[in-house]
Amino acid sequence: QMQLQESGPGLVKPSETLSLTCSVSGGSISSYHWSWVRKPAGRGLEWVGNLYYSGSTHYNPSLKSRVTISRDTSKNRLSLILTSVTAADTAVYYCATYYGGSGFDYWGQGTLVSVSS
Amino acid sequence: SYVLTQPPSLSVAPGETARIPCGENNIGSKSVQWYQQKPGQAPVLVIYSDSDRPSGIPGRFSGSNSGNTATLTITGVEAGDEADYYCQVWDTGSDRVVFGGGTKVTVL
Repeated sequence: QMQLQESGPGLVKPSETLSLTCSVSGGSISSYHWSWVRKPAGRGLEWVGNLYYSGSTHYNPSLKSRVTISRDTSKNRLSLILTSVTAADTAVYYCATYYGGSGFDYWGQGTLVSVSS
Repeated sequence: SYVLTQPPSLSVAPGETARIPCGENNIGSKSVQWYQQKPGQAPVLVIYSDSDRPSGIPGRFSGSNSGNTATLTITGVEAGDEADYYCQVWDTGSDRVVFGGGTKVTVL
C-alpha cells in the first residue's frame, strides 16, 4: 500500500515562493505518474500539474509560468515550487498518483498553505 | 474553456438513491472519474473510466456517461456517504485536467 506525505511551510508571504515536498513510501517514485492538486477553502479541487515517470511535466495553463514539479529519486520524493504567490494560492495542497484516463488513485492527506503577510 | 457543471447540493434520505449529474458538451466522449471528499480528508476515487469501481469501493456506487451528462449514482444511501463529490476529466481542448465544482450530498 503506497503512502504519500506532504510537508512544507504553513505560511508564505505574498510575492515569495512556495515550496512543498511529497514523501513516498511503499512504491518507487520513478514507476508512477504524479500530480499536485489543490483545494482553496470553500472552493473545489484544482489541478496544478503532472510529473510523468518519463520525467516530463505538464502544468495547468493558468499556473504554468509559476509552477515547477520535480522529483528526487534518491529520496523517493516529489517537489512543488510555486513562485510569486498571492492570497489566491492559499489552499490545501495534495500530491497524488495519476493514472491518465483513470484519474488520481493514491492521495496524501494534504498540507495547508496560507499566503499572508 | 471546458467547464464541468454540478449542482452545488443534493439532499437524500437514508436508503434512497442519490444521482449526481456532471454536465458538459459531449462529455460522453471522455473518460470521467468521481471523487468523494469528506471534511478534513483527502479525496477518494470512487469511480474511474465512467463506471469502474476501484478495489474497496462498495457496490452502492456506480457511474454512467452518455451524451452531455455523466452521472454518479449512490444506491441505498448511508449516513457515511455524506460528503462532497467531484467529477473529473482530461480536456484535450485546453490540455488540462478539469474538475467539476463539486456537489455536497447531505443525508437527511
